[in-house]
Amino acid sequence: NAGVTQTPKFQVLKTGQSMTLQCAQDMNHEYMSWYRQDPGMGLRLIHYSVGAGITDQGEVPNGYNVSRSTTEDFPLRLLSAAPSQTSVYFCASREYGALNTGELFFGEGSRLTVL
Amino acid sequence: GNSVTQMEGPVTLSEEAFLTINCTYTATGYPSLFWYVQYPGEGLQLLLKATKADDKGSNKGFEATYRKETTSFHLEKGSVQVSDSAVYFCALSANQAGTALIFGKGTTLSVSS
Repeated sequence: NAGVTQTPKFQVLKTGQSMTLQCAQDMNHEYMSWYRQDPGMGLRLIHYSVGAGITDQGEVPNGYNVSRSTTEDFPLRLLSAAPSQTSVYFCASREYGALNTGELFFGEGSRLTVL
Repeated sequence: GNSVTQMEGPVTLSEEAFLTINCTYTATGYPSLFWYVQYPGEGLQLLLKATKADDKGSNKGFEATYRKETTSFHLEKGSVQVSDSAVYFCALSANQAGTALIFGKGTTLSVSS
């Protein structure tokens, strides 16, 4: 059971570089989301999607882009990395609409350091 | 707006001690409430949930009761084990078809033998 798969698990960037965090799920979930986890801040929602072609901003969207071309994939792009984006990033998915039980399924996380 | 407040950690206990982690919430309407657990180096996973007032969620010896009158969802376990050492997050979902899950800041539990 793959569940939610994130890559890479670790990444070091220099300020100004761009990169994409990959997220894929094999549970046919309509809803996918990206959170960042910082010490003392808990989890904060960056972007989310309720289906292919539909995305929306969360609490902390600045500096990040997303797209959803398929049900399975939801990549997170950092266009010009900043030290403030040093964090652990989690992708999570769940059912949407009438099938939604509220349970989110998380990937193992991607630890990003921006120097 | 909707929010979740958890007791700050870390919580340090000896094996077999009683655990309580407090969680209170602010929400309009009738939210669903959750406890997630994050073991070291892993993502979060659902521990238990309750979808309406007076419901009790339970799993792996942990329990939490949805108290609408006190807007609380405290996590309890009668006898903790070293393997329970983790970060615990309280969360709410504001409505059935709702999008975002709102998390508390997390409480770190450390259990020693």
